[in-house]
Amino acid sequence: ETGVTQTPRHLVMGMTNKKSLKCEQHLGHNAMYWYKQSAKKPLELMFVYSLEERVENNSVPSRFSPECPNSSHLFLHLHTLQPEDSALYLCASSQRREGTQYFGPGTRLLVL
Amino acid sequence: AQSVTQPDIHITVSEGASLELRCNYSYGATPYLFWYVQSPGQGLQLLLKYFSGDTLVQGIKGFEAEFKRSQSSFNLRKPSVHWSDAAEYFCAVGPGSQGNLIFGKGTKLSVKP
Repeated sequence: ETGVTQTPRHLVMGMTNKKSLKCEQHLGHNAMYWYKQSAKKPLELMFVYSLEERVENNSVPSRFSPECPNSSHLFLHLHTLQPEDSALYLCASSQRREGTQYFGPGTRLLVL
Repeated sequence: AQSVTQPDIHITVSEGASLELRCNYSYGATPYLFWYVQSPGQGLQLLLKYFSGDTLVQGIKGFEAEFKRSQSSFNLRKPSVHWSDAAEYFCAVGPGSQGNLIFGKGTKLSVKP
């Protein structure tokens, strides 16, 4: 699926590092999402942006900080993460907030 | 509460055999329903979706699903499985309160020759 791209695909970081995940959608959509996928747990919604504005903030720790500079790009800034934050982070986009979501390939994050 | 249950964690079928993956949901109104497939190390690919209308929907790769309101189910079917169908399958319902999708825990499909 080349409609939604994510970089990097893999990331290893220490607990004191600061890194960013990038998502770009080429579909002309107006809503973008960050999900976390951990082993043996359902996908968890982290953040939603619609027309570049955050819709609601889930109960996500402040060590995760999203940024949506325009409707095509979404970032997830990471700092002082914990080992339990190791997971696959998936970005998705949709034409409108309640529409069909299309996913990127994900970033596999390992926190040491 | 909105939720999705996929009762089978892991299913193994022989190549060429038929397949049915179960999905039950809890949702206050008429839901939007989706099936996604995820291959190892990949993101989720949309297989099919139901918004309204005909309760039997056709998707990509020969998959179909049937919405049964009375049973709160949206089971995925395929008449003849191919080895390349081995992957994890996720059922989802929406929209959630934030416009998001609510996912089940997934069913891993293995295909034996």
